[in-house]
Parts: sequence; C-alpha cells; structure tokens
Amino acid sequence: DSGVTQTPKHLITATGQRVTLRCSPRSGDLSVYWYQQSLDQGLQFLIHYYNGEERAKGNILERFSAQQFPDLHSELNLSSLELGDSALYFCASSRERQGGGYTFGSGTRLTVV
Amino acid sequence: AQSVTQLGSHVSVSEGALVLLRCNYSSSVPPYLFWYVQYPNQGLQLLLKYTTGATLVKGINGFEAEFKKSETSFHLTKPSAHMSDAAEYFCAVSEDSFSSGSARQLTFGSGTQLTVLP
Repeated sequence: DSGVTQTPKHLITATGQRVTLRCSPRSGDLSVYWYQQSLDQGLQFLIHYYNGEERAKGNILERFSAQQFPDLHSELNLSSLELGDSALYFCASSRERQGGGYTFGSGTRLTVV
Repeated sequence: AQSVTQLGSHVSVSEGALVLLRCNYSSSVPPYLFWYVQYPNQGLQLLLKYTTGATLVKGINGFEAEFKKSETSFHLTKPSAHMSDAAEYFCAVSEDSFSSGSARQLTFGSGTQLTVLP
C-alpha cells in the first residue's frame, strides 16, 4: 500500500457520459498530480494541484477538469467521454522540498464503450 | 522543455545476467532524475532517484543508476537479473523549480518492458 488511494479501481461507462475519479494523497502530502497512461500516448501529465490551488496543466482536454478539496483529496472529472479516453488514470502525491519524486496510487482503469 | 528517451522498448535478459536499461534526458536546468517500475495492473513504484550529490545512486531491489551529465544519461543497472524483475521500467525527469513557482511535474519516458528468461 503506497498510501495514495484511488477509487474506483475499475470503471466502465458509455460514450458521452461523465465520470469522477477520486484520489486521497499520502498523509502529509500537499501536492496531487494526475496522469493518464494509454498504450499509444504513454504516461501523460494532466494537472497538478498544490494545497488546493492549481499549479500546472499538461495535456488535459477541455472536457476534463479537476479540483483539490480542503482535506487535500482530489477529484478528476471526465465528461463527454469518448472511446479514446479509455486509459489508466493515476494519481500521485508528493511532499514538496524533499528532493522530488512521487508516490503513485494504483490507478483507475477507465473503459469507455 | 524537458524530455526523456528510453532506448529499447523491450529488453530481454537471462536470469542471473546483467540488466542495463538506457535513459537519456534533456533538461535546461540541472535535473532531478528517477526510475520507476510498474508491475502488471499496478501503479508506479519508485526504484531510485538522483537529486544532487553522489552521481551513483542505489535503489531498491539491487538496482542502481549513474547520473552522467556529460552524456545526459541515467542508465539503470542490476548485476544479476531475477525473475521477479520482469516489469515495465520508466525513466523520468523533473526540473525542480518549485522555488520559482513552477510545477514539479515529472516527464516520463515511453518505458522499457523487461523480460527475464529462465
């Protein structure tokens, strides 16, 4: 157990639908990062939150959004889902100023049918 | 911008043989470098990292990597492969610019699938 909790582990939904992925960071970590892993794109950085504030956006589609709540958990919202959104979505957390590196959750496997 | 190139998407070694997984990076500032391992249906686990100081870094499970600035490389090695080492390995780079307010996202390579043959 890495200490980063992601739910659900698996999600199957239809095209056009909206889903919410949840992440609880490791205790004491203020930063949450979201990554998408797919066969054709590899690991792509989506977005970074630090203590409730958005810090950076990567290759995140406009149909996707995220937020980090006061208790530091984060949610990634995916809407108007397309077949190509099927992927593993990872959340990672880190403690700033400690030399980098993340702790990853076990991921949410999203299948859009 | 930072980038990572992992040479060889698939590497096969015999059990007991040397493991060498290659990683080259590009970074405009001194980098932080990482190796992660991913087992099937699992998240990524940190193997080792280089931040500053000693350029030879030792990690978990007998792996080590050497930061070579002149070659912009951070190759991962293990003297003797074990069947349990079969997994996908990712090299990553971070430009640690937290102090400037920039995000510290990691940029990952495309991964190397390691197969260990009996």
